[in-house]
Amino acid sequence: EVQLLESGGGLGQPGGSLRLSCAASGFTFSSYAMNWVRQAPGKGLEWLSTISDSGASTYYADSVKGRFTISRDNSNNTLYLQMNSLRAEDTAVYYCAKNGWSKFDPWGQGTLVTVSS
Amino acid sequence: EIVMTQSPATLSVSPGERATLSCRASQSVSGNLAWYQQKTGQAPRLLIYGASTRATGIPARFSGSGSGTEFTLTISSLQSEDFAVYYCQQYNNWITFGQGTRLEI
Repeated sequence: EVQLLESGGGLGQPGGSLRLSCAASGFTFSSYAMNWVRQAPGKGLEWLSTISDSGASTYYADSVKGRFTISRDNSNNTLYLQMNSLRAEDTAVYYCAKNGWSKFDPWGQGTLVTVSS
Repeated sequence: EIVMTQSPATLSVSPGERATLSCRASQSVSGNLAWYQQKTGQAPRLLIYGASTRATGIPARFSGSGSGTEFTLTISSLQSEDFAVYYCQQYNNWITFGQGTRLEI
């Protein structure tokens, strides 16, 4: 069974940093592009970033470009999102999802990030 | 950026009735369109991809149609577990989601 499990969420300070992780199992992680998507409280879904299967190519939404960095460790089947220069508007549930420029399936259960002083 | 517009924002229906949800793209996305269901407190679940192909394990009462800029998700006979928020997503040119349609009793 394919499983994605996010961690690393919590309270972050404005201007501060957090690193999210997504542990993958049940599939050949190194063969699939991966994504991060977020959902602000009571709002819709926002695509943030995609990374190719090898990690050589990365793509970002304008809202996070230059502040967030996606990466992966194929030897440990883990996806990361380094979040710097945090803002209040980054408060959201962050999901990882399998597949790249395609249908997202499946999604992890999400991890909540709250940015507040 | 391709803008995805879903309508209506909220759809009130009764169990057993048919529900039709719409999604419009600001430019053609060909057939590169997916639908997701999200229940409160849960992650989104893939329902339909390629505009009309049901994902694994999705009941036949869910169907998708359309191409280009106009797409429809139809739920033929609503069950109680179908009341949720539904999102469309285009993956033809980067990734964008619609704002969602809430399906309520």
